[in-house]
Amino acid sequence: QQPVQSPQAVILREGEDAVINCSSSKALYSVHWYRQKHGEAPVFLMILLKGGEQKGHDKISASFNEKKQQSSLYLTASQLSYSGTYFCGTEIGSYNTDKLIFGTGTRLQVFP
Amino acid sequence: NAGVTQTPKFRILKIGQSMTLQCTQDMNHNYMYWYRQDPGMGLKLIYYSVGAGITDKGEVPNGYNVSRSTTEDFPLRLELAAPSQTSVYFCASKTGAKETQYFGPGTRLLVL
Repeated sequence: QQPVQSPQAVILREGEDAVINCSSSKALYSVHWYRQKHGEAPVFLMILLKGGEQKGHDKISASFNEKKQQSSLYLTASQLSYSGTYFCGTEIGSYNTDKLIFGTGTRLQVFP
Repeated sequence: NAGVTQTPKFRILKIGQSMTLQCTQDMNHNYMYWYRQDPGMGLKLIYYSVGAGITDKGEVPNGYNVSRSTTEDFPLRLELAAPSQTSVYFCASKTGAKETQYFGPGTRLLVL
């Protein structure tokens, strides 16, 4: 049931763009994106809900394809502060369950 | 407003010992969660609660117990600690459905 994230790791120069994907074998009600820096707690970035509702960060965008059971996180004009590991958390099913199953993670490093 | 607090920050246990990890939130959130994160891995849900007196199992509940007698507190009990329980434990809370989870700083546990 664990969603699969791709790529596993990304290396960028400042100002470059990146896309991180989260794919599930099950139907999804919502996808939550978090960033975690080494030794710290995950920090919320975005929520994408079935039906198109979104909440989150104004400098990061994401998409949710319900039919394909996939979500993508778009990081544009990356900054050094974007470095960290990105996780998607998925609510599996057709309705709200309040439980998140987290993906495998994507490690992003941004260099000057 | 302290958010989600966890104690202790770090603990070493011997095999077979027991301990309680404390989690408190001051945001009046109904929903609370316990996750574990093994090195280089994603978060796995242990137990969660949708309100005082209500708890339910997550993906990896074996070896753990929880209780929720108040809205603010959600302690996690480890009975008979095993090396496989070496991990970082995160507590999280949220206000309700369709909302993000806010994470505490984590408790690093080493079982030797």
